[in-house]
Amino acid sequence: EDQVTQSPEALRLQEGESSSLNCSYTVSGLRGLFWYRQDPGKGPEFLFTLYSAGEEKEKERLKATLTKKESFLHITAPKPEDSATYLCAVQAVGSGTYKYIFGTGTRLKVLA
Amino acid sequence: NAGVTQTPKFQVLKTGQSMTLQCAQDMNHNSMYWYRQDPGMGLRLIYYSASEGTTDKGEVPNGYNVSRLNKREFSLRLESAAPSQTSVYFCASRAFSGGAYEQYFGPGTRLTVT
Repeated sequence: EDQVTQSPEALRLQEGESSSLNCSYTVSGLRGLFWYRQDPGKGPEFLFTLYSAGEEKEKERLKATLTKKESFLHITAPKPEDSATYLCAVQAVGSGTYKYIFGTGTRLKVLA
Repeated sequence: NAGVTQTPKFQVLKTGQSMTLQCAQDMNHNSMYWYRQDPGMGLRLIYYSASEGTTDKGEVPNGYNVSRLNKREFSLRLESAAPSQTSVYFCASRAFSGGAYEQYFGPGTRLTVT
């Protein structure tokens, strides 16, 4: 069964304290892996798409990487405004081009 | 450019009542989605529409129906609401941009069924 697991569930960081969020996946074949940011009371906001192992994408303080089993979202020198829930999702080859499997997210709190 | 809009923002229903959640996008995207989000669970796909005139079931379609009214609008109907349908509902549309598929989500509808 296709599955996505995110860890940790919650993370508290001091401002400037870099860390990484993990998204591990088990799928028959990976079509794509997606990262989103979700603020309280709002819909998810697209961050990155990764398609193949070794691929990396960057945006401001965020960097997403992909291996054959997992993806990491690295946060460098975070600021309080980076506080949010970060969601990971995958598209599996066997599930068609329109279906996504989401993880439960990592709640990040950055303290000033 | 409003993106993806959803109405209503909040709704309380009694068991057995019906209602329709509305979703519209102004980005000319072909595919649209309905998800539900529950505490401790990832977003789960209810229905999707790959293009105008087509709809398909997702992971949790029971108790719901959808209509792709035109390219812009995709509605979700609860015919006889149940407490298990208490959730936050998100509509999304998808675009191929910069070599990647991106989903754009609406702000959500918070539904309580008593």
